Amino acid sequence: RKEVEQDPGPFNVPEGATVAFNCTYSNSASQSFFWYRQDCRKEPKLLMSVYSSGNEDGRFTAQLNRASQYISLLIRDSKLSDSATYLCVVRDSGYSTLTFGKGTMLLVSP
Amino acid sequence: NAGVTQTPKFQVLKTGQSMTLQCAQDMNHNSMYWYRQDPGMGLRLIYYSASEGTTDKGEVPNGYNVSRLNKREFSLRLESAAPSQTSVYFCASSDRVLTSSSGNTIYFGEGSWLTVV
Repeated sequence: RKEVEQDPGPFNVPEGATVAFNCTYSNSASQSFFWYRQDCRKEPKLLMSVYSSGNEDGRFTAQLNRASQYISLLIRDSKLSDSATYLCVVRDSGYSTLTFGKGTMLLVSP
Repeated sequence: NAGVTQTPKFQVLKTGQSMTLQCAQDMNHNSMYWYRQDPGMGLRLIYYSASEGTTDKGEVPNGYNVSRLNKREFSLRLESAAPSQTSVYFCASSDRVLTSSSGNTIYFGEGSWLTVV
């Protein structure tokens, strides 16, 4: 079974902190990479795609290291509303499906 | 803006009972999926339909059947429910099969909480 591994957390941080999540994947042929966000008792929603050169969306920065099969998500200036579970997601070449990590829980406190 | 709609939201079944989870999307998407999510296990794919008229097994298909009724609707059936099928079920859709370069966004329904006693 293809694996996507994440630190389950929870990560407890104060507002304004910077926090980083890591993810590793087992299939070196994986093609596409994403971060999804899932609020408690809600459905997952796409946060951002992860590109080879790294990409940024406001306070969120995603990085990909294909050689190490490693993906990261950095959140700067954490807000209370960032509290959620962050899912690392991988699509493999030739597969019409996505493989989800188990998620990392983030709790931002005042 | 409905997106992906699934019913029922909550259901309690007795062991051995059957039921069907309904899912419909109004985004004219070609591909649809059923996932289950269990504590400590993450999201696991049960079945998917890459396009109308086709269905394929995912990672955990045993105990389930699916029907792609038309382009909009994709149902999941439990023929004889077991306690191991207690889970949260998510239906999802994407505009094209995820093997294409632009088919990389998957949209989820709000989930169906199923308990089998």
